[in-house]
Amino acid sequence: GENVEQHPSTLSVQEGDSAVIKCTYSDSASNYFPWYKQELGKRPQLIIDIRSNVGEKKDQRIAVTLNKTAKHFSLHITETQPEDSAVYFCAAGDDKIIFGKGTRLHILP
Amino acid sequence: DGGITQSPKYLFRKEGQNVTLSCEQNLNHDAMYWYRQDPGQGLRLIYYSQIVNDFQKGDIAEGYSVSREKKESFPLTVTSAQKNPTAFYLCASSINDRGIQYFGAGTRLSVL
Repeated sequence: GENVEQHPSTLSVQEGDSAVIKCTYSDSASNYFPWYKQELGKRPQLIIDIRSNVGEKKDQRIAVTLNKTAKHFSLHITETQPEDSAVYFCAAGDDKIIFGKGTRLHILP
Repeated sequence: DGGITQSPKYLFRKEGQNVTLSCEQNLNHDAMYWYRQDPGQGLRLIYYSQIVNDFQKGDIAEGYSVSREKKESFPLTVTSAQKNPTAFYLCASSINDRGIQYFGAGTRLSVL
């Protein structure tokens, strides 16, 4: 069946440095790629999304890139801050989306 | 946080018991979803509904049932056939089946 692989499962970066999380997907019909952030004990919240007609999207310190040919997409967070510490999920799909297993991001002081 | 309410926040199930988790939204969204979250497993889709009176199985539907009699409500029943029900259950809704999904605060289910 369809699958979304997410790497790494855990990521630690120094405050102020950049963080990159990568995902690959198997269903070539996927055309919607959201990223969610889940803080401890809270609900997942959308932070950025991209559709297949766009290769890159940026919102302040967050950017997402998409390579449909290679079926992979990435989340980039620049100038990381302590409040960026959370679990991040990628997802891919169309009328239903498949989530990756998540990346736990630690921002080190 | 989006007008999606899940209740209860915590729920305990006894052996052989069916329990029902509530999900209500006042966003006038057509589509609603139920996910199960286990540590290290991400979110796995149990059932989804694209429109009232219609729903489809997700990837892990066995041992669960749903109904969608009203647009704003999508309750999930965890039946006794679900042998490992302990998990965090998240409900989501979107304006249509291709819209952004907004999540409820979740229900944590444990087995007594």
